[in-house]
Amino acid sequence: KQEVTQIPAALSVPEGENLVLNCSFTDSAIYNLQWFRQDPGKGLTSLLLIQSSQREQTSGRLNASLDKSSGRSTLYIAASQPGDSATYLCAVPNAGNNRKLIWGLGTSLAVNP
Amino acid sequence: EAQVTQNPRYLITVTGKKLTVTCSQNMNHEYMSWYRQDPGLGLRQIYYSMNVEVTDKGDVPEGYKVSRKEKRNFPLILESPSPNQTSLYFCASRGQGNYEQYFGPGTRLTVT
Repeated sequence: KQEVTQIPAALSVPEGENLVLNCSFTDSAIYNLQWFRQDPGKGLTSLLLIQSSQREQTSGRLNASLDKSSGRSTLYIAASQPGDSATYLCAVPNAGNNRKLIWGLGTSLAVNP
Repeated sequence: EAQVTQNPRYLITVTGKKLTVTCSQNMNHEYMSWYRQDPGLGLRQIYYSMNVEVTDKGDVPEGYKVSRKEKRNFPLILESPSPNQTSLYFCASRGQGNYEQYFGPGTRLTVT
């Protein structure tokens, strides 16, 4: 059974720092991995999707990497800003039938001015 | 603009009063799902649909119904809401073969 874990659960950093959020999964037979952002009480914004054949994806100050063999993905945020404060979630499709996403509980990020 | 819409965004209701949360997507996606999000439990799938008239239960289907009469719409029905269905609900869609999921803005439901 696929399980997704995100560490740390919460992170507080000063503005301008580069930071790394971690996501691990137990079953390496994934189609892809998706990173999302969620602002308090609000919807989910897709940040990056990495296909299983890819090693990384970049969008602006965000870079996501994928290492299937070790069951890990990292989301790197460069030069963090207060506007980056949100909860970051990773999710993978359920192995075998891809009918649902299996979610981590997220990392709550606070970037302090 | 490609999007998934949900209505209403916020709803407060009383136990037992039937309600429907609508979901619509304009991307001609085959797959649609409903999730609920609860603190400490994360997001869990309620129901999904692979196409028109094809639906199946997710992880937490009890107390919910869905229908898929048209490809673009996937309403979530609570026939007799109870307080334990107070949650944040998300509708999602994706195309066949394209695994990126698109999410609606969420519906915050409170059942008193």
